[in-house]
Amino acid sequence: DGGITQSPKYLFRKEGQNVTLSCEQNLNHDAMYWYRQDPGQGLRLIYYSQIVNDFQKGDIAEGYSVSREKKESFPLTVTSAQKNPTAFYLCASSPQGLGGTDTQYFGPGTRLTVL
Amino acid sequence: QKEVEQNSGPLSVPEGAIASLNCTYSDRGSQSFFWYRQYSGKSPELIMFIYSNGDKEDGRFTAQLNKASQYVSLLIRDSQPSDSATYLCAVRRGGSYIPTFGRGTSLIVHP
Repeated sequence: DGGITQSPKYLFRKEGQNVTLSCEQNLNHDAMYWYRQDPGQGLRLIYYSQIVNDFQKGDIAEGYSVSREKKESFPLTVTSAQKNPTAFYLCASSPQGLGGTDTQYFGPGTRLTVL
Repeated sequence: QKEVEQNSGPLSVPEGAIASLNCTYSDRGSQSFFWYRQYSGKSPELIMFIYSNGDKEDGRFTAQLNKASQYVSLLIRDSQPSDSATYLCAVRRGGSYIPTFGRGTSLIVHP
């Protein structure tokens, strides 16, 4: 089955801790994205990557970091510098990221709660 | 600032009726338009995309695009309770691969 997987589904973090959210895709997509969704809000872009070993900041990158060492994987680290990390985190991918007919497909999401 | 506006709702329709969801956008350079459905606690699921002015039909869903008036709409015919969800509109500028999402419209289909 082709798709995007995210783990864990639920994650609890104590204040001051860094946590890493996993995102893996076997769709052979070049582009990958991380979004954050808060209740009643749209999706806000954290980071995106068009190719391996390259990534760009989105609208709300502060307090987050990413890596793209493999085409299939795009992990997101939520650092202690992120002031309000409790949210629903969504990973997405698209074939080329070059616009036109490209569409994004989403993983199932990780719900992060800071205790 | 590129903006995508949606009425947050909830939009309540009876089962079997047509649900009409609307989305307006500010960037005249927008060329790609997407509708996603998101059930509570789940991730968005792509329903339709449209690039050209006019209507595009897929089963019970019809997307309508009017670039001159800068709006895109989604019609759901024969609405079912299982259609109850939040519908997200996403718009992407030509030459870009980052869409801008609206906040979504909550749809409730009651029996």
